[in-house]
Amino acid sequence: QVQLQESGPGLVKPSETLSLTCPVSGASISDYYWSWIRQPPGKGLDWIGYIFYNGNTNYNPSLRGRVTISLDTSKNQFSLTLSSVTAADTAVYYCAKVIVAGNIDTWGQGTLVTVSS
Amino acid sequence: SYVVTQPPSVSVAPGKTARITCGGSNIGGKSVHWYQQKPGQAPVLVISYDNDRPSGIYERFSGSNSGDTATLTISRVEAGDEADYYCQVWDSYIDIAIFGGGSKLTVL
Repeated sequence: QVQLQESGPGLVKPSETLSLTCPVSGASISDYYWSWIRQPPGKGLDWIGYIFYNGNTNYNPSLRGRVTISLDTSKNQFSLTLSSVTAADTAVYYCAKVIVAGNIDTWGQGTLVTVSS
Repeated sequence: SYVVTQPPSVSVAPGKTARITCGGSNIGGKSVHWYQQKPGQAPVLVISYDNDRPSGIYERFSGSNSGDTATLTISRVEAGDEADYYCQVWDSYIDIAIFGGGSKLTVL
């Protein structure tokens, strides 16, 4: 059974870079697609992007230019960086296993990241 | 990008049937997936590919998809079904997942 757990700072200052990591257990990171999704407080789900083990990525156009998803096969984990953050980037961030052109079948528990000085 | 629309709220009495819709242009030509999210928890996939139930999901949950509307149906609603429900499709042109705005199911 695949298990995911987001980790990273819960507070980031405006204009700085948000960085989160998602270690994967129960599966090889090379076997699936992996994604990040976020949810602002009290609001709906917002797709960030996905990555495959070969480095193939795709991002939500609304975030392109600020977002990078990468992976580390030696540590069986993948990561999210989001630069130049503002208060609008305050959200619960979820890492997830995705079926491209399909659904998100496994979610991490989520981690709240607040952007504030 | 593709847009899907959900009613913000749906109310139903216990034991009755709840229907939550997800509207989009020719959504019947896409695969629709549904997630249940309870307060403080991550979403859980309850229906995939229009009407497939993942392992562990009650038979009371079902889905349909035709024309411009997909529907999540919850039969014999229980208090424990109270949650936010999100539909999701894939926008194949820009290769991203698209979520509906979510529907809050209230059990009266």
